[in-house]
Amino acid sequence: NAGVTQTPKFQVLKTGQSMTLQCAQDMNHNSMYWYRQDPGMGLRLIYYSASEGTTDKGEVPNGYNVSRLNKREFSLRLESAAPSQTSVYFCASTPRRGPGDQPQHFGDGTRLSIL
Amino acid sequence: AQSVSQHNHHVILSEAASLELGCNYSYGGTVNLFWYVQYPGQHLQLLLKYFSGDPLVKGIKGFEAEFIKSKFSFNLRKPSVQWSDTAEYFCAVNARGGATNKLIFGTGTLLAVQP
Repeated sequence: NAGVTQTPKFQVLKTGQSMTLQCAQDMNHNSMYWYRQDPGMGLRLIYYSASEGTTDKGEVPNGYNVSRLNKREFSLRLESAAPSQTSVYFCASTPRRGPGDQPQHFGDGTRLSIL
Repeated sequence: AQSVSQHNHHVILSEAASLELGCNYSYGGTVNLFWYVQYPGQHLQLLLKYFSGDPLVKGIKGFEAEFIKSKFSFNLRKPSVQWSDTAEYFCAVNARGGATNKLIFGTGTLLAVQP
């Protein structure tokens, strides 16, 4: 089925380890986003990519890097994982770069635990 | 800066009760408004959206929301809830005409419907 696919679904890391979360969409969407979801805090934007070849910081970018590998794929990397990065991570996409009147399509999430 | 407030963090209702979840936003310009729902263990799904026109919008599963510009509000309503409506509900806003479709989410309201 068409949509946003995230891998892995679950991961446990030790403090200091690195990891890349993968996201791919097959809807030919231009814009892609990474959020983290924490209890009582809703979803907070980490990074986004308005179009292929561009990336920008969101609300909580510290400790993360991203790569927009091509139009389909947008990866999120933790270089040195910290317990504060324990969270559920969601990738999302929207069809066009603008205007800002499009709902976002979300993946199923990656549940990440840092010990 | 944009922000979204959801004042009810937890709501418990019995089946057939009426539901109203509050959402207020702060932003000086024109906005697009969204309600997303997250069922247990699933990703966020769009419930309804307001871009322009009739301020009373109808979404899926019998939900509706009313945009009151003077109150900066976009409250979600349903006349009679069902057990299957148990989920977390998120209000979100973005700036209309913006180039990036960045969404700002509220902290969510956890709804539990008792059979």
